[in-house]
Amino acid sequence: SYELTQPPAVSVSPGQTASITCSGDKLGDKYASWYQQKPGQSPVLVIYQDIKRPSGIPERFSGSNSGNTATLTISGTQAMDEADYYCQAWDSNTAVFGTGTRVTVL
Amino acid sequence: DVQLVESGGGLKQPGGSLRLSCAASGFTFSSYAMSWVRQAPGKGLEWVSGLSGSGGGSLHADSVKGRFTISRDNSKNALYLQMNSLRAEDTALYYCAKARTPTIAVAGATFDYWGQGTLVTVSS
Repeated sequence: SYELTQPPAVSVSPGQTASITCSGDKLGDKYASWYQQKPGQSPVLVIYQDIKRPSGIPERFSGSNSGNTATLTISGTQAMDEADYYCQAWDSNTAVFGTGTRVTVL
Repeated sequence: DVQLVESGGGLKQPGGSLRLSCAASGFTFSSYAMSWVRQAPGKGLEWVSGLSGSGGGSLHADSVKGRFTISRDNSKNALYLQMNSLRAEDTALYYCAKARTPTIAVAGATFDYWGQGTLVTVSS
């Protein structure tokens, strides 16, 4: 079955850039989405179709996808960005979520 | 505003059955695919089942295939998940999620709105 692998944790200082990777076989041939989940809350879509931001999502969130890796970048990270982040793609009629990355803003 | 409200969760013994419901509002329900996604306590997200806006083309994860059935009633703006032969590993918060596309499993079928979830606990 298809797997998407993310680093378990990423730490970033306020105002700096956080990059979260998502690795999967030929992921660049698929569309990647990214979801933010804060403790006790439902997931929120922050990036879809690799690079698009839904309305209401700050410009500091951006995405890329090439080869075997999709990347979510948070520029000028704020304390409110502290959360779990999950990538997601479709493969063989199955929606696959990544293993998740906890972003800590120190 | 888009709203998704799940209900029907609870405590069940292994081998039991449960039916989850999701009441949708704020969008043309029949025009969008829908899915169920679950999250076990302290764990990550796991897609369970999906269904296109027309009600056709249902899909299920291997972990629930043959035990769970997704359905929808577009006249009632409602999504359902019939869960049979429940196992301890089905214990999770079950989210109803709306897709951006009318068809499930297409490349752009990302999940743009999520409900608050309903908790299913399977234990003797």
